[in-house]
Amino acid sequence: NAGVTQTPKFQVLKTGQSMTLQCAQDMNHNSMYWYRQDPGMGLRLIYYSASEGTTDKGEVPNGYNVSRLNKREFSLRLESAAPSQTSVYFCASTPWGLGTEAFFGQGTRLTVV
Amino acid sequence: QKEVEQNSGPLSVPEGAIASLNCTYSDRGSQSFFWYRQYSGKSPELIMFIYSNGDKEDGRFTAQLNKASQYVSLLIRDSQPSDSATYLCAVYGAGNMLTFGGGTRLMVKP
Repeated sequence: NAGVTQTPKFQVLKTGQSMTLQCAQDMNHNSMYWYRQDPGMGLRLIYYSASEGTTDKGEVPNGYNVSRLNKREFSLRLESAAPSQTSVYFCASTPWGLGTEAFFGQGTRLTVV
Repeated sequence: QKEVEQNSGPLSVPEGAIASLNCTYSDRGSQSFFWYRQYSGKSPELIMFIYSNGDKEDGRFTAQLNKASQYVSLLIRDSQPSDSATYLCAVYGAGNMLTFGGGTRLMVKP
C-alpha cells in the first residue's frame, strides 16, 4: 500500500523555469493538500482541494497553481520559479469528515538558483 | 496572528521526565486536533488526534483538549532520546482545512 506518493524527491531549478510537482494517493481520500516547509518552520498551506473538482487558496498561494486531476491526483505548478520558493514541499491527503488524519508524502526538496 | 501557535523551543528535558508541549488556536469552530512528530529530513507522522474535551491517552502519550480556552497539549511520559524531534500541532476546521502550528523542537537528553 503506497499511501501518498510524490515526485520528484529532489529538484534544482533556475530562476524563471517552470515545473510541476506530482502527488497521488491510493487511499480513496477526498481532500488533498500542498504544504511548504522552510527551515525551522512548520508547514504552511499553499493550496488545498476539499473534494474532487474544487481547489482553494491556503496561506501562501502566490506563485503557485494547482490542479485536482481526479480523486487520486493533485499537482502543484510553479510557473516561474523564484529563489523564495526554495523549500521542502509536502503533499498530504485526508479522508472526509470529523477526526480525519492527514497522511503525508515523503516530500520534494526544491532548490531554485 | 497565526491561527495555530506553538512555542518553537527547543524544549529540553532529561531522559525519563515528562515533556509537556502546548498549542493554542484561534478558530472556535475547529473540530479536530492532531499532534504530529517530525524527525529531521522526514515527513510528519501522526502521533495522536483528539476532538472531545478532556484527556486521551495512548501509551506514553496523552493529548489534552480544552475548547473553552482554545488550548491543546501533548504530554510525553518517560521521555526517551528517540522522542527528540519537532512536534507539530494541527487543527482541522472550517472548509476542511488542516492548519499547522510552527512546531516545538523537543530535545531529550540521556
